[in-house]
Amino acid sequence: EAGVAQSPRYKIIEKRQSVAFWCNPISGHATLYWYQQILGQGPKLLIQFQNNGVVDDSQLPKDRFSAERLKGVDSTLKIQPAKLEDSAVYLCASSSLDSFYNEQFFGPGTRLTVL
Amino acid sequence: LAKTTQPISMDSYEGQEVNITCSHNNIATNDYITWYQQFPSQGPRFIIQGYKTKVTNEVASLFIPADRKSSTLSLPRVSLSDTAVYYCLVGENYGGATNKLIFGTGTLLAVQP
Repeated sequence: EAGVAQSPRYKIIEKRQSVAFWCNPISGHATLYWYQQILGQGPKLLIQFQNNGVVDDSQLPKDRFSAERLKGVDSTLKIQPAKLEDSAVYLCASSSLDSFYNEQFFGPGTRLTVL
Repeated sequence: LAKTTQPISMDSYEGQEVNITCSHNNIATNDYITWYQQFPSQGPRFIIQGYKTKVTNEVASLFIPADRKSSTLSLPRVSLSDTAVYYCLVGENYGGATNKLIFGTGTLLAVQP
């Protein structure tokens, strides 16, 4: 089966600019996650969707970050305006409600550099 | 949020068994412990998951004590290709309806010939 797709793979912007990331989960996976991974750290969950509803967005900086998952499939994560500390890899993952293990399948990530 | 801690790094040689621990004092009573492997420029990849006692699959074993406040990932007979960062993932509950997913700090395993 096809894996989780993310685009773009790399993005360089200047601070105060806006940026958007796109994620296409594995077909049929109801749950979608966005993580932020700063260099040398573990991934930090930003937002978790189940279908098109939000399960947890407690660590999403809502003054500048937003995410949506229209129709319960693809998702976009936006940062507006970006700050230097937003430089990180943004990982998207998906999981199936039907699997015994809550195994998350991760995409390759988008590496964001804010100058 | 409480930190889920792991040793920063470990060194090993090919063919040895490696045990990586994770401390997760605030794990939710109803959540699993999951371990992931991550290579540079890739997303994490699932290794193993368990709730209590011991779980074994074709690549690893997971040991969980009765209090579930820690867990140990055991990799038998590591090879050079096992050089990667290993993360534990647990759910923690702070009184809400859903558990918060928390990744550990990560352990860089370096396997030498």
